[in-house]
Amino acid sequence: EDQVTQSPEALRLQEGESSSLNCSYTVSGLRGLFWYRQDPGKGPEFLFTLYSAGEEKEKERLKATLTKKESFLHITAPKPEDSATYLCAVPPRGGATNKLIFGTGTLLAVQP
Amino acid sequence: DAGITQSPRHKVTETGTPVTLRCHQTENHRYMYWYRQDPGHGLRLIHYSYGVKDTDKGEVSDGYSVSRSKTEDFLLTLESATSSQTSVYFCAISAGTSVGYEQYFGPGTRLTVT
Repeated sequence: EDQVTQSPEALRLQEGESSSLNCSYTVSGLRGLFWYRQDPGKGPEFLFTLYSAGEEKEKERLKATLTKKESFLHITAPKPEDSATYLCAVPPRGGATNKLIFGTGTLLAVQP
Repeated sequence: DAGITQSPRHKVTETGTPVTLRCHQTENHRYMYWYRQDPGHGLRLIHYSYGVKDTDKGEVSDGYSVSRSKTEDFLLTLESATSSQTSVYFCAISAGTSVGYEQYFGPGTRLTVT
């Protein structure tokens, strides 16, 4: 069964304390991986698409990387406004690429 | 929210009553989706549409029906609401289906079935 697992479930950081969030998947023949940010009471906001192992993408304090089995979202010198739930998603093996499988997310809290 | 509105934003209804949620987009995208989000399960696809009057089932379609009579509107109907359908419902849109076309989400509808 195709699965996406995110860890940790929750992470509390001090402002400026860098860390990484993990997204591991069991889908073979990965065709892409998406990262989203979700603020409380709002819909997910698209961050990145990664297409192949070794690829990296950056946006402000966020950098997403991809290997053959997992993806990391690195947060460098986070600020309180980076507090949110971060979701990753992948297309299923052999299925329609738009029928995404989502992880349950990592809830990030950055304290000033 | 990428030109996506959902209505109502909040609704409380009783078990057994019909409920319709509406998603409206201004982007003229071909593909529209309905997801539900529950603690411990993440986002799960209910139904999606690939054009006017063209729809397909997702992972958790039982108990739900959808309709799309215009490009801009995608309706989700719970014919007879149950407590297990208490959830937050999100609509999403995309311009295509390949990985290069990311999905953009609406603000969500919080539905409580008592």
